[in-house]
Amino acid sequence: AQSVTQPDIHITVSEGASLELRCNYSYGATPYLFWYVQSPGQGLQLLLKYFSGDTLVQGIKGFEAEFKRSQSSFNLRKPSVHWSDAAEYFCAVAPDNYGQNFVFGPGTRLSVLP
Amino acid sequence: EAGVTQSPTHLIKTRGQQATLRCSPISGHTSVYWYQQALGLGLQFLLWYDEGEERNRGNFPPRFSGRQFPNYSSELNVNALELEDSALYLCASSLGPQRLDTQYFGPGTRLTVL
Repeated sequence: AQSVTQPDIHITVSEGASLELRCNYSYGATPYLFWYVQSPGQGLQLLLKYFSGDTLVQGIKGFEAEFKRSQSSFNLRKPSVHWSDAAEYFCAVAPDNYGQNFVFGPGTRLSVLP
Repeated sequence: EAGVTQSPTHLIKTRGQQATLRCSPISGHTSVYWYQQALGLGLQFLLWYDEGEERNRGNFPPRFSGRQFPNYSSELNVNALELEDSALYLCASSLGPQRLDTQYFGPGTRLTVL
């Protein structure tokens, strides 16, 4: 069965610092990977996705993620964090069957210090 | 273009009652997904509808049910409510059922069971 782990439950960074959120997946075939962000009281917003091709994916709000098959990872990065980036971040994998009942990671809560 | 909408925003029920949650997908989207986001349990896949049919369901009891209408909007029904059903229920829609079709999420319905 597919699974997604996000080892960090909560991360705190200072505004302007760089950020890396970790995501590891367990999946037998070529994964389709996503990062979503959820601000308090809001739904999920898609940041970026990886289907194939270039392993470095650019997303919205200055985020990028790198797919590393050898490490089964899809880590999210941002070079300079803004206070508005404080939110919950979810990594997800779409299974290899018809339809997309995503398997989500447990999420990483990001706090940003002024 | 309007995003995914959900109603009501908040719903308060007592144990044993029934709850009905509604979702309107993005125009042109045929697939609708329901997820439960309970405290401490993360995002769990509930149900997937496409073209009016239930295509897949997650590991939830039969008292969680729903349907999709001819206009592709959807309804989630939870019967015999239990305290642990308290959660944020998120609806998502996608253009179709393929893995390449990105899911777009609504803001959610917060269900509280007293």
